[in-house]
Amino acid sequence: GAVVSQHPSWVICKSGTSVKIECRSLDFQATTMFWYRQFPKQSLMLMATSNEGSKATYEQGVEKDKFLINHASLTLSTLTVTSAHPEDSSFYICSAPGPTYEQYFGPGTRLTVT
Amino acid sequence: AQSVAQPEDQVNVAEGNPLTVKCTYSVSGNPYLFWYVQYPNRGLQFLLKYITGDNLVKGSYGFEAEFNKSQTSFHLKKPSALVSDSALYFCAVSFPNNAGNMLTFGGGTRLMVKP
Repeated sequence: GAVVSQHPSWVICKSGTSVKIECRSLDFQATTMFWYRQFPKQSLMLMATSNEGSKATYEQGVEKDKFLINHASLTLSTLTVTSAHPEDSSFYICSAPGPTYEQYFGPGTRLTVT
Repeated sequence: AQSVAQPEDQVNVAEGNPLTVKCTYSVSGNPYLFWYVQYPNRGLQFLLKYITGDNLVKGSYGFEAEFNKSQTSFHLKKPSALVSDSALYFCAVSFPNNAGNMLTFGGGTRLMVKP
């Protein structure tokens, strides 16, 4: 089946620094990818839709200047958390659509900002 | 606006007993329906989907779900629960014209299967 990878799986950074998270579709191409944020014991919150070759579409309330998304190729989307603060600590998950309507999810990235 | 409800935050069941995780949706049109499972600190794994056709769909790990249009429900079921089924389960809905098959998720239900 289709595989989506994320890197890193976990990261600890200091407040004020930036962190880049990569999402790759390993054996298929994805013109669209999605980025989610998940708080403990809660559902996934869609942050943005990443579009290859064009700007990302952000959900209401998500700061586009803080969460920079770049869909560099048909297999790679990156999420950069700029000037991270402790409240940005969360579990970040990406997904890419498969050929038969389902989404394939990455394993997630645990971000801790100290 | 479309929405998905999972009325139970947690479902407890004994190993070997049947389990049901409930999902109802509020949408217009003909939705696509999905179930995903999430283990701790992991991404979501696809279990099954309803697109069209037979209302009873079978998926991975012995799970199945029944699409009930009149009740706008898509409950997840398994005849005999395993301890290893303990996880967080998400119901989701999509539409044919959603860009990238974007999903709307329910709030999730934690399934606890006790030995």
